[in-house]
Amino acid sequence: QVQLVQSGAEVKKPGASVKVSCKASGYTLTSYGISWVRQAPGQGLEWMGWISVYNGNTNYAQKLQGRVTMTTDTSTSTAYMELRSLRSDDTAVYYCAREDDYGAFDIWGQGTMVTVSS
Amino acid sequence: QSVLTQPPSVSGAPGQRVTISCTGSSSNIGAGYDVHWYQQLPGTAPKLLIYGNNNRPSGVPDRFSGSKSGTSASLAITGLQAEDEADYYCQSYDSSLSGRRVFGGGTKLTVL
Repeated sequence: QVQLVQSGAEVKKPGASVKVSCKASGYTLTSYGISWVRQAPGQGLEWMGWISVYNGNTNYAQKLQGRVTMTTDTSTSTAYMELRSLRSDDTAVYYCAREDDYGAFDIWGQGTMVTVSS
Repeated sequence: QSVLTQPPSVSGAPGQRVTISCTGSSSNIGAGYDVHWYQQLPGTAPKLLIYGNNNRPSGVPDRFSGSKSGTSASLAITGLQAEDEADYYCQSYDSSLSGRRVFGGGTKLTVL
């Protein structure tokens, strides 16, 4: 069964960092890219960035440049998203999603709630 | 302000047909990039509904269909059912944003 399983909920203080993991199973991680998408409470979907698991190339949303880093560990079939200098408006559910050859997100993780609060 | 524009809400009675529009520009949909659609039920992760403008993944009922023309795309749902009540998002690629993927703002479908 093809699936992405994410790490659990996090509560962080403003200025801190968070690192969310996304473990793939049922397929070869290096065959697809992984995008990260977030959704603030009651809001729509926001694309954060993409990583090529094959060669590590990344492409980040302009508004997050300098604060976000996406990496992968092919030995454990796990992708990671780290967001630094957290602010209250970073409070959201963070999703990882597999990107297929059409550029569609065909498999999604279950989501990780990140709450930023003092 | 989303790069792709969707109506905030649409509604329809059971059995009816509804459409959800997704309007872009010459740097995304109009440039020929594929449009994909997602359904998000309350409290769950989005699910791919339509890929490559008009293709359904395995398991998606043929009541759902997609189309694209010029700088816009549409999702049509026929034979509306109560279980279709959800948020729907379109997604594409934008060449003006250095290879960035873009979403529409989302449309809440209410089944009356």
